[in-house]
Amino acid sequence: EAQVTQNPRYLITVTGKKLTVTCSQNMNHEYMSWYRQDPGLGLRQIYYSMNVEVTDKGDVPEGYKVSRKEKRNFPLILESPSPNQTSLYFCASSPGGGISSNQPQHFGDGTRLSIL
Amino acid sequence: AQKVTQAQTEISVVEKEDVTLDCVYETRDTTYYLFWYKQPPSGELVFLIRRNSFDEQNEISGRYSWNFQKSTSSFNFTITASQVVDSAVYFCALVENRDDKIIFGKGTRLHILP
Repeated sequence: EAQVTQNPRYLITVTGKKLTVTCSQNMNHEYMSWYRQDPGLGLRQIYYSMNVEVTDKGDVPEGYKVSRKEKRNFPLILESPSPNQTSLYFCASSPGGGISSNQPQHFGDGTRLSIL
Repeated sequence: AQKVTQAQTEISVVEKEDVTLDCVYETRDTTYYLFWYKQPPSGELVFLIRRNSFDEQNEISGRYSWNFQKSTSSFNFTITASQVVDSAVYFCALVENRDDKIIFGKGTRLHILP
């Protein structure tokens, strides 16, 4: 089944404790992206990657890191999480040509992070 | 800078009524792409439609239709004969051709009342 898989789905942690949210897709998509969703703010793009070893900042990259060493994986790293990073996070992927291709973005089920 | 405005934060209509969700965008590019996504109460995000800036044809898909007007920088979404299953948050989004960064509107929460 074609899917984007995020782990963990839920995480409660404390300020300053490094964490990684994994994202994996099995569709051989070139484009991958991370978003955060906050009440009243909608979805905001954190980072995206057009292909392996190519990453770019979205609208809200501060406090986050990403890597794209393999096509299928695009982990989101919070080196020193803070309470303002408490949010619902989505990973997504789409085929080659980037998001502007005529193919839909496939989203993961989301990861709810709470930073105390 | 690119921007997407969904002025309607929340809408409630009675089942079978028609409802239009507004989306107004700002961009300096002549080539850009517009999207609508649906997020039902279960939380997943579902792609509905993509439109590029050179294609102003309106689109109809069953009870859903989209009206793209470059003159007013709008890409509105209409649900005809709404159903309870249409209850969701709907997001409009914009991608400029200069990069593949995507800007979402803040979303419109639609309640379809039985």
